[in-house]
Amino acid sequence: EDKVVQSPLSLVVHEGDTVTLNCSYEVTNFRSLLWYKQEKKAPTFLFMLTSSGIEKKSGRLSSILDKKELFSILNITATQTGDSAVYLCAVEAWPNFGNEKLTFGTGTRLTIIP
Amino acid sequence: EPEVTQTPSHQVTQMGQEVILRCVPISNHLYFYWYRQILGQKVEFLVSFYNNEISEKSEIFDDQFSVERPDGSNFTLKIRSTKLEDSAMYFCASSEQGVRGYTFGSGTRLTVV
Repeated sequence: EDKVVQSPLSLVVHEGDTVTLNCSYEVTNFRSLLWYKQEKKAPTFLFMLTSSGIEKKSGRLSSILDKKELFSILNITATQTGDSAVYLCAVEAWPNFGNEKLTFGTGTRLTIIP
Repeated sequence: EPEVTQTPSHQVTQMGQEVILRCVPISNHLYFYWYRQILGQKVEFLVSFYNNEISEKSEIFDDQFSVERPDGSNFTLKIRSTKLEDSAMYFCASSEQGVRGYTFGSGTRLTVV
């Protein structure tokens, strides 16, 4: 059974701090790892990672994948109150091309204190 | 930006009743999914749907669940006889091809009493 474990489960930091969120996985026929931000309702897409060692960056957020050690990290620098959310990690396997399902971790709840 | 629309946003139903959750996927998308999230727990895959048939389903998706694309635009999830443990947020998602461009709807919160 595919498995995704995120740590920490929750994190409270002050505005301006830098945070690192962790995601480890065990999945058969790994295809990609995705990060989502979930505020009130729907998860919104942040990054998709398929190759080891290549950093994806979007503003203050960045992420990297290590396919040998089976983990990924999501970094947020100079945090702002708007970064408060649950950050979800999900992995995609290769059951059937075009019908890939996602296996999610439990998420990290990040709270930014002004 | 195109959106996946779900209705209703919140539904309360009595145990044993049937519910239908509705989704309007993005118009040029071909792959459709339902996920659920029980309060405080992880998002879980229920079912994927392509070319008018189920392509994969999880263990959660038992005989009380069914999906349908009745009119070429809507994508529905029916729960035949709801149980208390069906209470959850149900997310619809659609994609053009696989998880690349996977868009989630804003969810329907189902409360079974």
